[in-house]
Amino acid sequence: GEDVEQSLFLSVREGDSSVINCTYTDSSSTYLYWYKQEPGAGLQLLTYIFSNMDMKQDQRLTVLLNKKDKHLSLRIADTQTGDSAIYFCAEGENRDDKIIFGKGTRLHILP
Amino acid sequence: GAVVSQHPSWVICKSGTSVKIECRSLDFQATTMFWYRQFPKQSLMLMATSNEGSKATYEQGVEKDKFLINHASLTLSTLTVTSAHPEDSSFYICSARDHTGPANEKLFFGSGTQLSVL
Repeated sequence: GEDVEQSLFLSVREGDSSVINCTYTDSSSTYLYWYKQEPGAGLQLLTYIFSNMDMKQDQRLTVLLNKKDKHLSLRIADTQTGDSAIYFCAEGENRDDKIIFGKGTRLHILP
Repeated sequence: GAVVSQHPSWVICKSGTSVKIECRSLDFQATTMFWYRQFPKQSLMLMATSNEGSKATYEQGVEKDKFLINHASLTLSTLTVTSAHPEDSSFYICSARDHTGPANEKLFFGSGTQLSVL
């Protein structure tokens, strides 16, 4: 079945770059997403990438996709304390709006 | 921007009672809404797809009679946890898609409901 895997925890110093990795199994995934969840809040879409793209950059965010290895990463440049949150990798086919989420990576910022 | 309002934010109830959670799209119409369940340190698990004016589509393993979904209008879907038990304690999140814009930028999530069953 469909599965999305990501590490549960990442600790990064303020000002450094954060790289959150994700792997997925569904080869028919059309879109891959990164969502951010702050404590007690819903999910906020950060960015997404089409499966036919290798990279997408949006200000401090860079998404890299290796479709062959089914590997997705999110790089946050110049990590700030406000970036502290749980980041969910997700995939979807868009046919029926279903999105499959990973377990989320908790990003902790060190001073 | 578009907002999805979810109420209540948290609820504590006694075992055996029923709890209703509301999900509203505030400034757009949502023919489809989704209900997720999230356990601590776990991913969001899709429970069901709520379709306006028709029956919800449940994911495998989700009890239809346990988790009643009603989507009576284009802006409101409700999830009722019937005869709640402690194992139903979880964080429930809804989402709704605004179909008027680019598909992949128009899925909005509610802020979630923390359910604790004593």
